[in-house]
Amino acid sequence: EAQVTQNPRYLITVTGKKLTVTCSQNMNHEYMSWYRQDPGLGLRQIYYSMNVEVTDKGDVPEGYKVSRKEKRNFPLILESPSPNQTSLYFCASYGTHLHEQYFGPGTRLTVT
Amino acid sequence: GNSVTQMEGPVTLSEEAFLTINCTYTATGYPSLFWYVQYPGEGLQLLLKATKADDKGSNKGFEATYRKETTSFHLEKGSVQVSDSAVYFCALRISSGSARQLTFGSGTQLTVLP
Repeated sequence: EAQVTQNPRYLITVTGKKLTVTCSQNMNHEYMSWYRQDPGLGLRQIYYSMNVEVTDKGDVPEGYKVSRKEKRNFPLILESPSPNQTSLYFCASYGTHLHEQYFGPGTRLTVT
Repeated sequence: GNSVTQMEGPVTLSEEAFLTINCTYTATGYPSLFWYVQYPGEGLQLLLKATKADDKGSNKGFEATYRKETTSFHLEKGSVQVSDSAVYFCALRISSGSARQLTFGSGTQLTVLP
């Protein structure tokens, strides 16, 4: 079954404590993205990756890092989380010749 | 830049009512247009798409027509069901260079009452 998985699904943490949200896809897709979803703002892209070792900033990259060492994985790293990063995060992937993005189930992050 | 504007919600309808959710866009280039649906507690799923002017996307009784002259992609359904209650997002993508970024609207919450 084609899918995008994210872990953890829920996370409560404190300001400044580094965390990583993992994302993995089993469709051999070149493209992967991270989005955050906030009320009234829809989804905004944080970072995206066109292939292994190729990443670039989206609309709201401040406070986030990513890496793409393997094609299937695209972790999102918050080196020093702050309360304004409390949000719902989605990972997505799609291949070169497809119009559809596949989204993961989401990770709800709360930073206190 | 690129942007998508959706009608503000929430929208509350009775079962079997007609649904329209408006979506307009601005884009540098020639976009593909999408409607995504997000059911409670889940990620987004592609509902329908259109890749060129006058294309009509359809799925599960929902339809949307790519109108280049009015830069619109309004979502319609003739008779909604309780199971259609969800958040609906309009989105566009410009396939320029290698970005292939999706730009989303703010989402419209739909609640259908029995």
